[in-house]
Amino acid sequence: DVKVTQSSRYLVKRTGEKVFLECVQDMDHENMFWYRQDPGLGLRLIYFSYDVKMKEKGDIPEGYSVSREKKERFSLILESASTNQTSMYLCASSLGGTDSPLHFGNGTRLTVT
Amino acid sequence: QKEVEQNSGPLSVPEGAIASLNCTYSDRVSQSFFWYRQYSGKSPELIMSIYSNGDKEDGRFTAQLNKASQYVSLLIRDSQPSDSATYLCAVNPYGNNRLAFGKGNQVVVIP
Repeated sequence: DVKVTQSSRYLVKRTGEKVFLECVQDMDHENMFWYRQDPGLGLRLIYFSYDVKMKEKGDIPEGYSVSREKKERFSLILESASTNQTSMYLCASSLGGTDSPLHFGNGTRLTVT
Repeated sequence: QKEVEQNSGPLSVPEGAIASLNCTYSDRVSQSFFWYRQYSGKSPELIMSIYSNGDKEDGRFTAQLNKASQYVSLLIRDSQPSDSATYLCAVNPYGNNRLAFGKGNQVVVIP
């Protein structure tokens, strides 16, 4: 089975802090994704990556950056956390190609106070 | 942004009945379609994928795809309380695994 591991299940940070969310997958998947999920808004794509050192903006990249230095690891960075970034963050991975489903990690619930 | 629409409002079904969920999508180039189940406080898990027009059955789940009408549906037969969850429809309009998700349908199975 695919395993996508997010480093923290719950995280509480203060406004203005730099926040790192880590995600590791163990199936040699080419593609990795970061979503946030909010009530009434559904899943929204922040950033994604098809290869090491490669990144592309999703639908809501403002206030975020990402890093993919190794194939198995995809990090989401909140440069200066704000209260409107309080959310559930979900990492996902998939095989290369065009028809592969996404496999999600357990999620990180981030609260910014 | 590609649009994926799911019926609004929770769906309540008695135990043992069929739950029917519908999803429409705006982009004709989509070639792969997925249904995810998400329990409260948990992450989405894949339950069905479908790529060709017609029906695909997996246990108590049946996915139905009609590309001409741009809809995909999910039937849950013999609904169980453990099926109570939110079901997310996802399509692949960009052709590169960048999925577009609907906002989900909550299903409540009443014992």
